[in-house]
Amino acid sequence: EAGVAQSPRYKIIEKRQSVAFWCNPISGHATLYWYQQILGQGPKLLIQFQNNGVVDDSQLPKDRFSAERLKGVDSTLKIQPAKLEDSAVYLCASSFGRIGELFFGEGSRLTVL
Amino acid sequence: DAKTTQPPSMDCAEGRAANLPCNHSTISGNEYVYWYRQIHSQGPQYIIHGLKNNETNEMASLIITEDRKSSTLILPHATLRDTAVYYCIVRPYQTGANNLFFGTGTRLTVIP
Repeated sequence: EAGVAQSPRYKIIEKRQSVAFWCNPISGHATLYWYQQILGQGPKLLIQFQNNGVVDDSQLPKDRFSAERLKGVDSTLKIQPAKLEDSAVYLCASSFGRIGELFFGEGSRLTVL
Repeated sequence: DAKTTQPPSMDCAEGRAANLPCNHSTISGNEYVYWYRQIHSQGPQYIIHGLKNNETNEMASLIITEDRKSSTLILPHATLRDTAVYYCIVRPYQTGANNLFFGTGTRLTVIP
């Protein structure tokens, strides 16, 4: 069974530039999550989708971060403009439903210079 | 916010049992205890979860105290590939609350 796919694995940009990350969840998983993991810390939820609707985006810095899940399958997370403190690993996860085990991708590592 | 307390690091000899403690003294009756681990440069991986009974699967065993205020994850025969950060998470088992609140976890190092 294919896992959660993310791209790119690594991205280096300068501050004030924009970046986008893509996630393709496990087939049939209705719930999709984006987490931010800063070095030395545990992952922190940014946004949770149920199909193509947002369940929780309370921790998403909406002035610079946006995410969408058109058609309820794959998702894109965008940062514009990026700040130095956005340097982190961005993890995508999916689950079959609102209850159940989360499956994580390998993450996209962002470095903002 | 994370509702659990874990030691920041532990060592374990290869082949021995690794016992990872977790304190969750404020756990509610509808909250489960979940364990995930994160190997370097990978995303977190589900290990096991339980409510109040002890649980065992092919990866590990979970022992939850009778008062549910603490638990222990047991890796019965640790290998070098078990070196990772282990996260203990309490999580309500209800619709719409499927988020995981990660703390800083325990960094387990398995020593040859």
